[in-house]
Amino acid sequence: QQQVKQSPQSLIVQKGGISIINCAYENTAFDYFPWYQQFPGKGPALLIAIRPDVSEKKEGRFTISFNKSAKQFSLHIMDSQPGDSATYFCAASAGSARQLTFGSGTQLTVLP
Amino acid sequence: GAVVSQHPSRVICKSGTSVKIECRSLDFQATTMFWYRQFPKQSLMLMATSNEGSKATYEQGVEKDKFLINHASLTLSTLTVTSAHPEDSSFYICSARVVRAGYEQYFGPGTRLTVT
Repeated sequence: QQQVKQSPQSLIVQKGGISIINCAYENTAFDYFPWYQQFPGKGPALLIAIRPDVSEKKEGRFTISFNKSAKQFSLHIMDSQPGDSATYFCAASAGSARQLTFGSGTQLTVLP
Repeated sequence: GAVVSQHPSRVICKSGTSVKIECRSLDFQATTMFWYRQFPKQSLMLMATSNEGSKATYEQGVEKDKFLINHASLTLSTLTVTSAHPEDSSFYICSARVVRAGYEQYFGPGTRLTVT
C-alpha cells in the first residue's frame, strides 16, 4: 500500500515536444506529491509539488496533473529541451513523519 | 531556496574501516533529516529518519549498528558507515525537511562511497 508506481521507465522525446510521466498510488493517506529531477552523480532537486486539494499546478514549463479519484498524478514538461534530460522521480508522503515514498524513476532523454 | 550540503562528495576507503558523511542545512533549520542510499539506475531507498536530539529511526533491514546516525543540531546530521565492506559501496544522499514549510524535503548533492 506504500508503493508508488511510475511509468514509463524511459522516455525519448524530441526537442520542443511534451514529456509526460505518470504515477499511481494506493495509499489514500498520501497528501503531498512532489516531483524530483536528478542528474547523474547529483542529488534529487525538487521540481514541483502538489497537494490533493487542487487538480493541477503549473510552474513554468512543468505541470502536475492530479486525479484524486483515480489515485494518479502526472508530470508534463512542455517544450522539452535537451537540458531536461535527467531522471525524474515522483514521490508521495503522508502523516506527521513526512517520509517520502519514491517511484522507480523515469529516464528522460530529449533529442536535439 | 533551501540548500543542503554533504561532505565529502566522494570517498574511497578500505574494507573494514569506518567512514563518516556529514549533512548540513546551510540556510535553514531542519528538525528532521533523512538518509537514503541509491544504487545505479535505481530509486532512492530510505535508510533512516533522524530527528534532532533523539535517536534515529531505521527502516526495516537497515543495520543500525552498521549505519550510525547522529543529529546533534538543527543543521547537522552525520552518517557513519562502520566496518565498511564492498557491498556498502553506494551513493548516499541526505535530505532535510524545512521546518517552516512542513512538507518540502531538500536533498544534498550525495556522497559516492567506494569500499575496496
